[in-house]
Amino acid sequence: DARVTQTPRHKVTEMGQEVTMRCQPILGHNTVFWYRQTMMQGLELLAYFRNRAPLDDSGMPKDRFSAEMPDATLATLKIQPSEPRDSAVYFCASGSGGSGGGDTQYFGPGTRLTVL
Amino acid sequence: RKEVEQDPGPFNVPEGATVAFNCTYSNSASQSFFWYRQDCRKEPKLLMSVYSSGNEDGRFTAQLNRASQYISLLIRDSKLSDSATYLCVVNIGTGTYKYIFGTGTRLKVLA
Repeated sequence: DARVTQTPRHKVTEMGQEVTMRCQPILGHNTVFWYRQTMMQGLELLAYFRNRAPLDDSGMPKDRFSAEMPDATLATLKIQPSEPRDSAVYFCASGSGGSGGGDTQYFGPGTRLTVL
Repeated sequence: RKEVEQDPGPFNVPEGATVAFNCTYSNSASQSFFWYRQDCRKEPKLLMSVYSSGNEDGRFTAQLNRASQYISLLIRDSKLSDSATYLCVVNIGTGTYKYIFGTGTRLKVLA
């Protein structure tokens, strides 16, 4: 049963530290999304890729967040330096990216980040 | 105005009841619509896509009203296992992969 995997599942760190979250999309999927979920804001789109190219990262604070896809099997989201307000659950999702957009997204289990 | 709006609930209904949720969207160019389900401390999972002609999957029926810019989800014969948060998802335009999620409607089905 193909699924999106994310590591780590939980991360507790101190303010100012670098945090790296990893995602392995479903094999063959060519769109990858990073979301952040908090109680107050719900699910917010941070960035997404198609065929490893970043298409939109307007949802990310550019000064501290960066998202990359070094290869088709790995997407990373980095926060440097981290701040307490970054505490949230970060989800990765992948999809098969039909040409017209509008496509089922399959979510990973999320990384629960706590910044002290 | 938010791009996608949902009543947060909670909707508390007895087992066997019928319950309906609405979701409004602001971008008239939106082309694709979905309902996702999210259980507590879990990831969202696709419940169903919403087609222009409406669609039904067992006890679940989804409708789209483009003129009024809303989608709806109807659950018949509610089960305890239907208790979850239901997220409305809108793709903002043709050829884009940008999805906007509503903040969700929480449903509690009571025994």
